[in-house]
Amino acid sequence: GENVEQHPSTLSVQEGDSAVIKCTYSDSASNYFPWYKQELGKGPQLIIDIRSNVGEKKDQRIAVTLNKTAKHFSLHITETQPEDSAVYFCADTMDTGRRALTFGSGTRLQVQP
Amino acid sequence: DGGITQSPKYLFRKEGQNVTLSCEQNLNHDAMYWYRQDPGQGLRLIYYSQIVNDFQKGDIAEGYSVSREKKESFPLTVTSAQKNPTAFYLCASSPLPRNTEAFFGQGTRLTVV
Repeated sequence: GENVEQHPSTLSVQEGDSAVIKCTYSDSASNYFPWYKQELGKGPQLIIDIRSNVGEKKDQRIAVTLNKTAKHFSLHITETQPEDSAVYFCADTMDTGRRALTFGSGTRLQVQP
Repeated sequence: DGGITQSPKYLFRKEGQNVTLSCEQNLNHDAMYWYRQDPGQGLRLIYYSQIVNDFQKGDIAEGYSVSREKKESFPLTVTSAQKNPTAFYLCASSPLPRNTEAFFGQGTRLTVV
């Protein structure tokens, strides 16, 4: 089955620095790659997503890049703020077959004030 | 307000008892999903349904059962056959056919004693 690997598992940065989280996927048919943010005791919330026909997408301080050839995608957060502290998950899926998200193992981001 | 509702938020059960977790959505989404989350880990797919009266096993379906009698409801039963049922359970829904954002509920924390 599909496998998504996510690194690092924990990341600590100073407020104002950038944070980068990387994921690799195994199924070349995957074509949708969302990123979710989960706060303690809550359900995950989508923060940004990208489709396989796009290489990069930005939304204010958040950006996602996709390299289909290498089968990896990354989340970039610039000018980090303490409220960015949470667990971040990457995921992927495809428009055929199972069509359920396969998640990475998560990255705990801590932004130090 | 449109959204996805899980109840209860906390659930305690004795070992050997079956328990049913509720998930309701008013987003008119075709697809619904159940995920399990263990501490420090990613989300693992238990069951999913893309249409009423049809559902498919995910990666860790053993010891669980579901039904999809109505579009808006997708209850999950944790049976006594599930060897390690204590976990955080998340329900999600998404529109079809093209993959877009999956919306998550706030989760049910099940503790079996």
